[in-house]
Amino acid sequence: DAKTTQPPSMDCAEGRAANLPCNHSTISGNEYVYWYRQIHSQGPQYIIHGLKNNETNEMASLIITEDRKSSTLILPHATLRDTAVYYCIVSLSGAGSYQLTFGKGTKLSVIP
Amino acid sequence: NAGVTQTPKFQVLKTGQSMTLQCAQDMNHEYMSWYRQDPGMGLRLIHYSVGAGITDQGEVPNGYNVSRSTTEDFPLRLLSAAPSQTSVYFCASSFLRKNEQFFGPGTRLTVL
Repeated sequence: DAKTTQPPSMDCAEGRAANLPCNHSTISGNEYVYWYRQIHSQGPQYIIHGLKNNETNEMASLIITEDRKSSTLILPHATLRDTAVYYCIVSLSGAGSYQLTFGKGTKLSVIP
Repeated sequence: NAGVTQTPKFQVLKTGQSMTLQCAQDMNHEYMSWYRQDPGMGLRLIHYSVGAGITDQGEVPNGYNVSRSTTEDFPLRLLSAAPSQTSVYFCASSFLRKNEQFFGPGTRLTVL
């Protein structure tokens, strides 16, 4: 699986958009970008994933650059409950590969 | 749905003792896995299963055994606990052709 690089920490004001970057320059053509988050001491929670196109769901938006070497997770209106460690993971999807390789992620602090 | 449940929530063992961490899911997921998370680290895969009767090793399998006799349950056995196994253990599950994994709340294990 391709390796990812994320900033160790970020702050965001409550109510503002949180933009979390991720570099994955060695991503291969059939690898997806996944985002999970871990709120203090809880199990990780799936947020969103994508292959090439931008994706949006009720939690967040995922913007993947055209060359797929980087991506940005956007939380449109951050709340205090979004304070967590966010993990960007590159992995194959579907039969044959299920391992999620968690790095150290980005610790997002939402400030009142 | 209860989702992914883990028992116990906390456990203290003495070196050399054995125990089983329980994991169950009620979502009919084929894939189940066990991760450990050490302080300040990402999650590391211990063992995984793609269906009843099928298990395989992950990144850090030594000292742990698993079996999968039903779709719902995936217990993790520590054969002879060591202080190096002090960690938080997370169980996860998903459908086989998706990598959107659901995580349990974790078991916090201390080995003295």
